[in-house]
Amino acid sequence: EIVLTQSPGTLSLSPGERATLSCRASQSVSSSQLAWYQQKPGQAPRLLIYGASNRATGIPDRFSGSGSGTDFILTISRLEPEDFAVYYCQQYGSSPLFGQGTRLEIK
Amino acid sequence: EVQLLESGGGLVQPGGSLRLSCAASGFTFSSYAMGWVRQAPGRGLEWVSAISGSGGSTFYADSVKGRFTISRDNSKNTLSLQMNSLRAEDTAVYYCAQGRTLFHYWGQGTLVTVSS
Repeated sequence: EIVLTQSPGTLSLSPGERATLSCRASQSVSSSQLAWYQQKPGQAPRLLIYGASNRATGIPDRFSGSGSGTDFILTISRLEPEDFAVYYCQQYGSSPLFGQGTRLEIK
Repeated sequence: EVQLLESGGGLVQPGGSLRLSCAASGFTFSSYAMGWVRQAPGRGLEWVSAISGSGGSTFYADSVKGRFTISRDNSKNTLSLQMNSLRAEDTAVYYCAQGRTLFHYWGQGTLVTVSS
């Protein structure tokens, strides 16, 4: 069974800075089946990226995804105040699985 | 605009049953697979179950197989999750979502608490 490990657990940055979040899989994941979600407190998750690098509808271009095989990255080029949230990666093969999340907090 | 509205959550004793519903609007419901994802308090996301657009195929996480049943009524644009033999570890917010494994749209969730 694939395990997704996200790092760091918590990332403290300031608005305007660049954020780099990592998702590492224990086995190779088809890059066509890796997604990223954002979740704010008290809200449902929101799909950001699918297919490792494709932005979902309405997602600003400051969000980008990259990677292949076992290592994937979510980059937020220039943090806005509304970007501080928890981010989850997900492999969406036949048995979908989420990572444990990275909390992005204001420094 | 896609809207998903869950209902049916609440407090139930261990071993009890509960039925969740999700009312969908803003898209052609029968054309999309639908799923349930849950989140225990303060924890991460866990995929629970999914169903094809026609309802002919269903999928379950091992943790709920044999206890939960997913179904849909395409004439009423409604998704359901029948939960039996509930355990304390089933306590979570349950989200209805559009898709089978990749979830483009989510409802706001309904809280299920299993406790005596």
